[in-house]
Amino acid sequence: DVKVTQSSRYLVKRTGEKVFLECVQDMDHENMFWYRQDPGLGLRLIYFSYDVKMKEKGDIPEGYSVSREKKERFSLILESASTNQTSMYLCASSHMGGSGANVLTFGAGSRLTVL
Amino acid sequence: GQQLNQSPQSMFIQEGEDVSMNCTSSSIFNTWLWYKQDPGEGPVLLIALYKAGELTSNGRLTAQFGITRKDSFLNISASIPSDVGIYFCAGLSGGTSYGKLTFGQGTILTVHP
Repeated sequence: DVKVTQSSRYLVKRTGEKVFLECVQDMDHENMFWYRQDPGLGLRLIYFSYDVKMKEKGDIPEGYSVSREKKERFSLILESASTNQTSMYLCASSHMGGSGANVLTFGAGSRLTVL
Repeated sequence: GQQLNQSPQSMFIQEGEDVSMNCTSSSIFNTWLWYKQDPGEGPVLLIALYKAGELTSNGRLTAQFGITRKDSFLNISASIPSDVGIYFCAGLSGGTSYGKLTFGQGTILTVHP
């Protein structure tokens, strides 16, 4: 069964800590995405990547960075966590073209609490 | 950036009732997608629409791509308790191959047995 795997389902961190959220997909997808989900706001795009070592800012990139050293892995980094980054973080991937292009497959999510 | 207005924000219905939700935008989209998120999980694709006017069904679910390309609706017939969750619409505009979707705010569905 193909999937997107987020290694941490629940994390609790302190203000100022550096946080890494890892995501791995086994579908050989070119595109990978990080969203955050907050009640009443839907899903907001933080960063995306369309190739190894490539990254593009989404709608809310402030306070975040990303890394894509391998095609299957896309990491979200919070350099100095703040309480307003408490949220559900969703990783997703998609094909660049062909059948099903641009249809996102999501991971189960990582719920981060910053104290 | 682009925005999608999804309504209603929440629905409380009895088992067996039909459900309707919709998304509207001031921008044109070339693809409309509908996702469902079960509690504690990531969103899962329900229906994808690629052509204006397209009407597509998936079991008890029916979705349509509005003729103006600025709206879409999702209907669920004869709801059951496992329909509970958050439903999201998402639109993809032209000019990108990166799958950068715009999402609606979500509709929270509660089904009472």
